[in-house]
Amino acid sequence: KNQVEQSPQSLIILEGKNCTLQCNYTVSPFSNLRWYKQDTGRGPVSLTIMTFSENTKSNGRYTATLDADTKQSSLHITASQLSDSASYICVVSRHDSNYQLIWGAGTKLIIKP
Amino acid sequence: NAGVTQTPKFRVLKTGQSMTLLCAQDMNHEYMYWYRQDPGMGLRLIHYSVGEGTTAKGEVPDGYNVSRLKKQNFLLGLESAAPSQTSVYFCASSSLAQETQYFGPGTRLLVL
Repeated sequence: KNQVEQSPQSLIILEGKNCTLQCNYTVSPFSNLRWYKQDTGRGPVSLTIMTFSENTKSNGRYTATLDADTKQSSLHITASQLSDSASYICVVSRHDSNYQLIWGAGTKLIIKP
Repeated sequence: NAGVTQTPKFRVLKTGQSMTLLCAQDMNHEYMYWYRQDPGMGLRLIHYSVGEGTTAKGEVPDGYNVSRLKKQNFLLGLESAAPSQTSVYFCASSSLAQETQYFGPGTRLLVL
């Protein structure tokens, strides 16, 4: 069954600290993996998109890693800011379906001052 | 550029009523999508379109219909609303199937 599991479900950290969010997937065949940020009451916004051959991709203070062998990805946030408070969603695209994205349920991150 | 816009932002319906949600994009994207988001679950694809005049079913199409008469617009219709359709609906668009999807701000729908 094609699934995307994220952990933790929620996380609270202090402003300025780093954190890492995890994503495990069982989607096959794999095409690419995406991380989205979703602020409360808003639509998701793309952070990164990685194909099979990419191990790491950065977008400012956000760094995503991908291990296609173990089917794991992580999103590392450096020097967190209050504006990083949001849900972070891992999404995996299947290679044999152009249009089906398998969405994780997201990790809700709260940054406290 | 406004990106992807959705109207209305919020709507309350009674069971059995009908309504249409409008999505518009100004990025000249070929692909457009309608999703629903429910608490504790990932986004689920309702219907999608790969170009003007074409539509296709997604993961949860029952109870919904769509139309793409113009490239920039994608309409989602509920013919007879049910409480199970209470959700937040997001529209998205992309230039190619495997490219980044850009999302609208969402429509919150409550069916009583």
